[in-house]
Amino acid sequence: AQKVTQAQTEISVVEKEDVTLDCVYETRDTTYYLFWYKQPPSGELVFLIRRNSFDEQNEISGRYSWNFQKSTSSFNFTITASQVVDSAVYFCALRGTYKYIFGTGTRLKVLA
Amino acid sequence: ETGVTQSPTHLIKTRGQQVTLRCSSQSGHNTVSWYQQALGQGPQFIFQYYREEENGRGNFPPRFSGLQFPNYSSELNVNALELDDSALYLCASSPAPLEEAFFGQGTRLTVV
Repeated sequence: AQKVTQAQTEISVVEKEDVTLDCVYETRDTTYYLFWYKQPPSGELVFLIRRNSFDEQNEISGRYSWNFQKSTSSFNFTITASQVVDSAVYFCALRGTYKYIFGTGTRLKVLA
Repeated sequence: ETGVTQSPTHLIKTRGQQVTLRCSSQSGHNTVSWYQQALGQGPQFIFQYYREEENGRGNFPPRFSGLQFPNYSSELNVNALELDDSALYLCASSPAPLEEAFFGQGTRLTVV
């Protein structure tokens, strides 16, 4: 069975702090994709990153960075120097075939 | 913006009624998937349509049905609405079943 676990339900940080959102996944597929999405109050899922199972290189995009480790089945997301605009619900997702399996999300609150 | 448009944005229905939600896919995309996101949860896969045929289905009862039209737009129909059907319904389109999906802003359905 495929599963995505985001153990952190809600995180609150003060602006400019760094924060890491955890994601652990389960799958028996050898080829799969991992995603992170941001969901602001408006509801739309905003794509942040895609990583395939054969690419374990970490990635940095501005203040965002991702750490993919197949050995621990984790795909963690770090925001450096957080800002109030980063406040949202963040979802980690796994796609093996045609459907996405989402975690339950982590609500991030960045306080000014 | 993803180019995926959903209508209406909000809807209130009474238990037992029927509802139709609509989705216009991004230009060039022949695949549409529907997801249900209950409050505080991650999106759950309902089904996928590829070239007007159902291509896969999640764990939802038959009263959830869909259609895809020749222009690849799609409808989600829910009969005999129940209170638990209250959720954000997300549509996602992709160029093909295994390609990356782009999500619309969702329709928020409230059943009273």
